[in-house]
Amino acid sequence: QSALTQPASVSGSPGQSITISCTGTSSDVGGYNYVSWYQQHPGKAPKLMIYDVSNRPSGVSNRFSGSKSGNTASLTISGLQAEDEADYYCSSYTSSSTYVVFGGGTKLTVL
Amino acid sequence: EVQLVQSGAEVKKPGESLKISCKGSGYSFTSYWIGWVRQMPGKGLEWMGIIYPGDSDTRYSPSFQGQVTISADKSISTAYLQWSSLKASDTAMYYCARGVSYGWFHFDYWGQGTLVTVSS
Repeated sequence: QSALTQPASVSGSPGQSITISCTGTSSDVGGYNYVSWYQQHPGKAPKLMIYDVSNRPSGVSNRFSGSKSGNTASLTISGLQAEDEADYYCSSYTSSSTYVVFGGGTKLTVL
Repeated sequence: EVQLVQSGAEVKKPGESLKISCKGSGYSFTSYWIGWVRQMPGKGLEWMGIIYPGDSDTRYSPSFQGQVTISADKSISTAYLQWSSLKASDTAMYYCARGVSYGWFHFDYWGQGTLVTVSS
């Protein structure tokens, strides 16, 4: 069981917006602004999409945005495109001895 | 261009030892943390541990403490992940990744992954 809880799957049609949630505790997501989101296409390495809750690395589309409320972080993808179909993982710094925890991952299907 | 290039796939028997590598280029290797992430077949990402090649400061997730050893040789810009006695449950893809400029909370560049298969 992962330390951070994500929905197993979400789906949306091209052009729509979707949001993926990531729920933790006050020891991780709720206590620090060190939440990140990674995209992983099948057979590929993960790619950093969002860091520090809402910052986008250079080169990442502005269709991707992040936010946080309490112990839950969210990744929103607007204007869905076929290429967005992938697995998405959240992660957070944690004050526990595990240092960093990942969510279980969410499979995004573009219908 | 920042690159992390990992060593090739390995097939090992239970009880054997193994050391896989991750060579960094295109940046100051000693100034960024390098982490290791496990992905078991069909499963999610697991944070294993990190090392700061500049001074070899190393931290492990409790799940992996004592099970693996993370090291680095800054003279050749290479980080390592090693096992002294492999188990079948170590079968997984292992990724190395670079910590962001201000710390190790996020990974901004990733290696291509090394597939480790442990089977008798």
